[in-house]
Amino acid sequence: QQQVKQSPQSLIVQKGGISIINCAYENTAFDYFPWYQQFPGKGPALLIAIRPDVSEKKEGRFTISFNKSAKQFSLHIMDSQPGDSATYFCAATYSGGYQKVTFGTGTKLQVIP
Amino acid sequence: GAVVSQHPSRVICKSGTSVKIECRSLDFQATTMFWYRQFPKQSLMLMATSNEGSKATYEQGVEKDKFLINHASLTLSTLTVTSAHPEDSSFYICSAGGQGTEAFFGQGTRLTVV
Repeated sequence: QQQVKQSPQSLIVQKGGISIINCAYENTAFDYFPWYQQFPGKGPALLIAIRPDVSEKKEGRFTISFNKSAKQFSLHIMDSQPGDSATYFCAATYSGGYQKVTFGTGTKLQVIP
Repeated sequence: GAVVSQHPSRVICKSGTSVKIECRSLDFQATTMFWYRQFPKQSLMLMATSNEGSKATYEQGVEKDKFLINHASLTLSTLTVTSAHPEDSSFYICSAGGQGTEAFFGQGTRLTVV
C-alpha cells in the first residue's frame, strides 16, 4: 500500500517555466512533509519541507503548497532550469519518528533549454 | 547540514558471496540509522531501522537473515548482504539524524551481483 502517492511520474518543462508536482497522503499521523531531490547515482538531498499548520512555504524558486483538509501537497519550481533536471520525491514523516521517511513514488523532471 | 557517508559507493560481487556496506555519521552521533533499497526508476523503500546497541527492526517482507545490520557505535551502522544473488542487485541508501527533525542521507551504494 503506497502511503504517499505522487504525480506525475515524469515531467518535461521548458527552461523558465513552472514545474508542478503533486502528492497526496493517507495517514493523518504524518506531520512533517519534506521534498527530496535526487540526481542519478546519488542519495536524496533535502530540498524543502513543511508542517501541516502552514499552507505555503517558499525558499528561493521552490514553493510547497499544503492543503491539510484534502491531505494533499505540491511542489512548485519557478523559473525551472536545466540544472533542476532530477528525480523529485515527496515524503512524509511524523513526530517521534522524523527520521523514518515514507517516500512518494517519484517524479523525473527534465527541463529542456 | 549533517554529513552521512557510505562506503563503498559501488561494489560488484559474485553470486553466493557476502558484501558489507558501511554507513557513518561524520559530524554527529546517531542512535538510529535507516537502510533503504532503491530499484532502478523506483522509489526508496525502507528495509530496516538500525538501533545502536540493540537489534535492528526490519520492515515486513525483508529477510533479516539475508540483510544483517549491525549498529555497534553511535557513528557507524553496517549492512551485510549475505549469500548475495543477482536479484539483490540494487542501490542501497542509509540515513541518519542527530538532534532535530531532519534525516540526512548517504550517497548510496550500487551493488551488482554477478
